[in-house]
Amino acid sequence: RKEVEQDPGPFNVPEGATVAFNCTYSNSASQSFFWYRQDCRKEPKLLMSVYSSGNEDGRFTAQLNRASQYISLLIRDSKLSDSATYLCVLYSGGGADGLTFGKGTHLIIQP
Amino acid sequence: NAGVMQNPRHLVRRRGQEARLRCSPMKGHSHVYWYRQLPEEGLKFMVYLQKENIIDESGMPKERFSAEFPKEGPSILRIQQVVRGDSAAYFCASSFGNTIYFGEGSWLTVV
Repeated sequence: RKEVEQDPGPFNVPEGATVAFNCTYSNSASQSFFWYRQDCRKEPKLLMSVYSSGNEDGRFTAQLNRASQYISLLIRDSKLSDSATYLCVLYSGGGADGLTFGKGTHLIIQP
Repeated sequence: NAGVMQNPRHLVRRRGQEARLRCSPMKGHSHVYWYRQLPEEGLKFMVYLQKENIIDESGMPKERFSAEFPKEGPSILRIQQVVRGDSAAYFCASSFGNTIYFGEGSWLTVV
């Protein structure tokens, strides 16, 4: 099983719809979890951290399920500007060398 | 991009030439991380450097790749005798704890 697995997509979603995607991980020692967003030919940028209790930031909701070893990202009322690749990131300690990145899920919001 | 500066943004090299990528970390930081993102792949850790010291180079290819971070000046990622498979985006980053901030990246194309 790969360390971090994401459905590469693309997810084609109409504007205004709700979309959700998951990320599964194999390292049970992973300490922290994040979602990063990467636009085409741009650097990844932190979207939000993911907590066991679930956390929400505007239209974005992130969940962590340690028992099943997956995290999820839900986007409500999707906007055209949400089109991007969403990277699942795990932190297993140490410095930034302890970060493991998924390959990303490509999301396309259609007008 | 939280102040991590990279140049050049785009670089084209012929097979066999050398590529040099430069990175200046966030102000006040004395460490940098280099990551590589191959087409359609996830970000992969390459090397972690502090001023005049390589902390972790476990992700560096064994041949042709080297990195340094001198006391004065930017960090340099050097790729000798480039091959087509080296074509990728190379990101430099600084971190605050387990949160990483990337530079805008250097896109290397080997022709």
